[in-house]
Amino acid sequence: DGGITQSPKYLFRKEGQNVTLSCEQNLNHDAMYWYRQDPGQGLRLIYYSQIVNDFQKGDIAEGYSVSREKKESFPLTVTSAQKNPTAFYLCASSIEGEVGPQHFGDGTRLSIL
Amino acid sequence: DAKTTQPTSMDCAEGRAANLPCNHSTISGNEYVYWYRQIHSQGPQYIIHGLKNNETNEMASLIITEDRKSSTLILPHATLRDTAVYYCIVRVYNFNKFYFGSGTKLNVKP
Repeated sequence: DGGITQSPKYLFRKEGQNVTLSCEQNLNHDAMYWYRQDPGQGLRLIYYSQIVNDFQKGDIAEGYSVSREKKESFPLTVTSAQKNPTAFYLCASSIEGEVGPQHFGDGTRLSIL
Repeated sequence: DAKTTQPTSMDCAEGRAANLPCNHSTISGNEYVYWYRQIHSQGPQYIIHGLKNNETNEMASLIITEDRKSSTLILPHATLRDTAVYYCIVRVYNFNKFYFGSGTKLNVKP
């Protein structure tokens, strides 16, 4: 079945360490997104990419980096510069330039050791 | 993008219709209304979207007022599995940024 796969489901980071969250989609969508969700809060946009080899900062990009080398993949790196990385991270994709919805993965929960 | 206002929480009896309101008084003419829901520790699930006409699908109905300043999501026969946080979002056509607020926690009770 088509969909979005995020891995791992749970991730632990030590202080000063970079970690990379994986997001893969087989929906043939051009646009992909990363969101952060804190407990009891809505989603906040970190980065988005409308096409391969291009991406834009969202509202809370500081301390994060992304790459978009392939259409189906949009990994997110949480760097040591992100001082409060504990959160639920969600990846989404959509068809570029249309009014259709974003489709979400099931998320990665990141915690600090 | 226009902001949305939703009640923090609502209760609904199982089998009854759940009517979830959303205020988007600053919505622009080219902004669509979307509804998603999120069950704890899962990714948001798309429900329905519309521009100005009422919409219905297998999950729900969306009623948008004539002035488009508010809308209501209707789950016709709520079940316990409909307990979730429901997000109302407005989005400009052809612009892929969605802004999620805090949503409404719907509690469906037996």
